[in-house]
Amino acid sequence: NAGVTQTPKFQVLKTGQSMTLQCAQDMNHNSMYWYRQDPGMGLRLIYYSASEGTTDKGEVPNGYNVSRLNKREFSLRLESAAPSQTSVYFCASSAYVSSYNEQFFGPGTRLTVL
Amino acid sequence: DAKTTQPPSMDCAEGRAANLPCNHSTISGNEYVYWYRQIHSQGPQYIIHGLKNNETNEMASLIITEDRKSSTLILPHATLRDTAVYYCIVREEGSQGNLIFGKGTKLSVKP
Repeated sequence: NAGVTQTPKFQVLKTGQSMTLQCAQDMNHNSMYWYRQDPGMGLRLIYYSASEGTTDKGEVPNGYNVSRLNKREFSLRLESAAPSQTSVYFCASSAYVSSYNEQFFGPGTRLTVL
Repeated sequence: DAKTTQPPSMDCAEGRAANLPCNHSTISGNEYVYWYRQIHSQGPQYIIHGLKNNETNEMASLIITEDRKSSTLILPHATLRDTAVYYCIVREEGSQGNLIFGKGTKLSVKP
């Protein structure tokens, strides 16, 4: 099992460009999440999907959109990138969204917006 | 804001036990205590969680005080590969979505 995979690993964008970060999991999990981590900080939730067909905003959703394409895949889109979106983006999944299910994290995408 | 307080950094000698404290004085009765760690540049990794009782797994032990206002994560025989940032998180049963990560404790295991 690959667990949670993310593409790309690194990306540099210019201000105003758009891009989509891809995430896939092979653990048959129902719930998936997108977090961002700024230097020296903990992770903050952007969006999550409790189950296929549903998405909900997290703590910092502005400037992002998400798509739960199917049970395996959850993508994050930046429509018009800004320097404030320079960060490391982590995707995670869990069996269910309830508290006692551990979240499994991907390796991250390092995004720089110039 | 994170509901937990952790020291920003700790050192531990290789082979010794690492005891990482966490204060969560405002924890409510249905909130679990979770521990994750993040090894440099990688995604966070789940370690252990508990509600009231002490817990042990192959990675660590979690000791929760009787009043549940604090807890300690114990790595019984720390190795250099345990050098990481350790996050203590409290989360309500049935809550939706996020784990609230604070800044954690940077544990440095030294030879």
